[in-house]
Amino acid sequence: DAGVTQSPTHLIKTRGQQVTLRCSPKSGHDTVSWYQQALGQGPQFIFQYYEEEERQRGNFPDRFSGHQFPNYSSELNVNALLLGDSALYLCASSSGLAPYEQYFGPGTRLTVT
Amino acid sequence: GENVEQHPSTLSVQEGDSAVIKCTYSDSASNYFPWYKQELGKRPQLIIDIRSNVGEKKDQRIAVTLNKTAKHFSLHITETQPEDSAVYFCAAGENNAGNMLTFGGGTRLMVKP
Repeated sequence: DAGVTQSPTHLIKTRGQQVTLRCSPKSGHDTVSWYQQALGQGPQFIFQYYEEEERQRGNFPDRFSGHQFPNYSSELNVNALLLGDSALYLCASSSGLAPYEQYFGPGTRLTVT
Repeated sequence: GENVEQHPSTLSVQEGDSAVIKCTYSDSASNYFPWYKQELGKRPQLIIDIRSNVGEKKDQRIAVTLNKTAKHFSLHITETQPEDSAVYFCAAGENNAGNMLTFGGGTRLMVKP
């Protein structure tokens, strides 16, 4: 039973570029949440997708957008990258049957130069 | 919105001793409190959680307590081992809010052999 997977593992982009990160939830899970974790800090909630719609959003600008596909996998898109967007981006999946428990993927380390 | 504060930021204990990490939250609507362990370069792993209808929960050497009136919850690790060394994060969530988790700043636990 595969856990939460994310791709790519690492990514280096230049300021102003756009990036797409991908997440596949744990088998049986239908909800995907995205978090940003800056170095030395706790994860910060970006948004959550359920039934292919954004259900809730944290305090992040519109440059951050996402999508959920019919197979429950999800993408996070960030436009007009800033140096401050450098962070570990974590995806967490959960099930509508046990909505509290969120399981994290290994993350994508994004470096913006 | 919810605000979670975590103390201490670093904790050093001798192997075999107990470790206690404390968190406070601000939103009385929060009803779910998980704890995550994150080893260097790895994903946060859910180690224990508690819901607001329970005051204490134990799982082997780990226990969590919750005081809803005071809006604080704590993680207790007994008989610490070197492999317990990691960063621990507390979080608070409200199921009605789509399961968004607000994380504390983390505690770096070092267990000295």
